[in-house]
Amino acid sequence: QQQVKQSPQSLIVQKGGISIINCAYENTAFDYFPWYQQFPGKGPALLIAIRPDVSEKKEGRFTISFNKSAKQFSLHIMDSQPGDSATYFCAASGGQGAQKLVFGQGTRLTINP
Amino acid sequence: DTEVTQTPKHLVMGMTNKKSLKCEQHMGHRAMYWYKQKAKKPPELMFVYSYEKLSINESVPSRFSPECPNSSLLNLHLHALQPEDSALYLCASSRTFNQPQHFGDGTRLSIL
Repeated sequence: QQQVKQSPQSLIVQKGGISIINCAYENTAFDYFPWYQQFPGKGPALLIAIRPDVSEKKEGRFTISFNKSAKQFSLHIMDSQPGDSATYFCAASGGQGAQKLVFGQGTRLTINP
Repeated sequence: DTEVTQTPKHLVMGMTNKKSLKCEQHMGHRAMYWYKQKAKKPPELMFVYSYEKLSINESVPSRFSPECPNSSLLNLHLHALQPEDSALYLCASSRTFNQPQHFGDGTRLSIL
């Protein structure tokens, strides 16, 4: 019940296209859902996060869509650029396990020029 | 530039050595974390400190010993490590629990 399932494992998108990464969770106590971007040799960088009181949050080209009833959330990257090529992790925390971030398995995104 | 600073960036050590990893943040965060990350895997939680007290130990072998001397500093003492301990060790901090965690760039550890 503590798992966060992330798909796809890898994704190739053409420059200018939309990249979509999906995550699903089971624990209904989760109430904080961040996305991290990680480049090779660097630590994960917080990209954008959402709490369940809203269904969508947008920051620049990055949007989180959140579906509480389906227990799913997704990251959309609009106008994808080669510099967006990185590994993306979704995560969740909340409830009695609020000390812990539960990570998805990651998506390796490649944007072709 | 990250606001969580980790040193050293790289470390190579033998299985009998003793070394320490250091993590520093000056954001006033009261929760600090150690993670281990293997290639192509998500970060794996090792320890959590809250207000300088150990809050969570995820059944980490005793050859890893964490220390939190003050609210800005977190150390990870290493002794008698095994080759399978080779990984990227990440430190993170957050204002409190269930708040955004900010990661450092990690220490790349290689055990010979």
